[in-house]
Amino acid sequence: DGGITQSPKYLFRKEGQNVTLSCEQNLNHDAMYWYRQDPGQGLRLIYYSQIVNDFQKGDIAEGYSVSREKKESFPLTVTSAQKNPTAFYLCASSYHRGNTEAFFGQGTRLTVV
Amino acid sequence: QQQVKQSPQSLIVQKGGISIINCAYENTAFDYFPWYQQFPGKGPALLIAIRPDVSEKKEGRFTISFNKSAKQFSLHIMDSQPGDSATYFCAAYRTSYGKLTFGQGTILTVHP
Repeated sequence: DGGITQSPKYLFRKEGQNVTLSCEQNLNHDAMYWYRQDPGQGLRLIYYSQIVNDFQKGDIAEGYSVSREKKESFPLTVTSAQKNPTAFYLCASSYHRGNTEAFFGQGTRLTVV
Repeated sequence: QQQVKQSPQSLIVQKGGISIINCAYENTAFDYFPWYQQFPGKGPALLIAIRPDVSEKKEGRFTISFNKSAKQFSLHIMDSQPGDSATYFCAAYRTSYGKLTFGQGTILTVHP
């Protein structure tokens, strides 16, 4: 089945640690996105990538980093510089331009302990 | 210029009633306006979408109304059902940027 897979579903991090969230898609989509969801604030864009080896900062990129070495994969690292990392993180993908429907993964809930 | 404002934040409707969620945008360069539905613990899924050259689009019980001059669009859910209880997000897409900008979300509760 084609789809977009995020792992893990739940993640706990100690303060000061970096953690990496995984996002894989087998939809042959060019574009991939990372959003952060907080109650009452909607979905805020962290980073997005339209092609392999290229990515752009979204609206709240500070404290996060990404890579896009393969078309299928777009991992997100939450660094210790992110002051309030506890949130629900969503990865999405779409075809680059033209067909604009975005498909979302099931999300990763990150909690700082 | 990239903001999308959504209201209300929460909405309670009786079964069989009409649910209406409104969104407004600022940037006239947006060229695609989707609505997403999200159930608890899940990722959002596309519900219905419209382009600015159309004033209304209907799919089953879901209708988007689009007012280009007012830079507003809304989602109407007719004959609302308890299974429609979810969070709804409007969004706007600008092809030249290649990214979706989301509204703040509306938590819809449909009472049986």
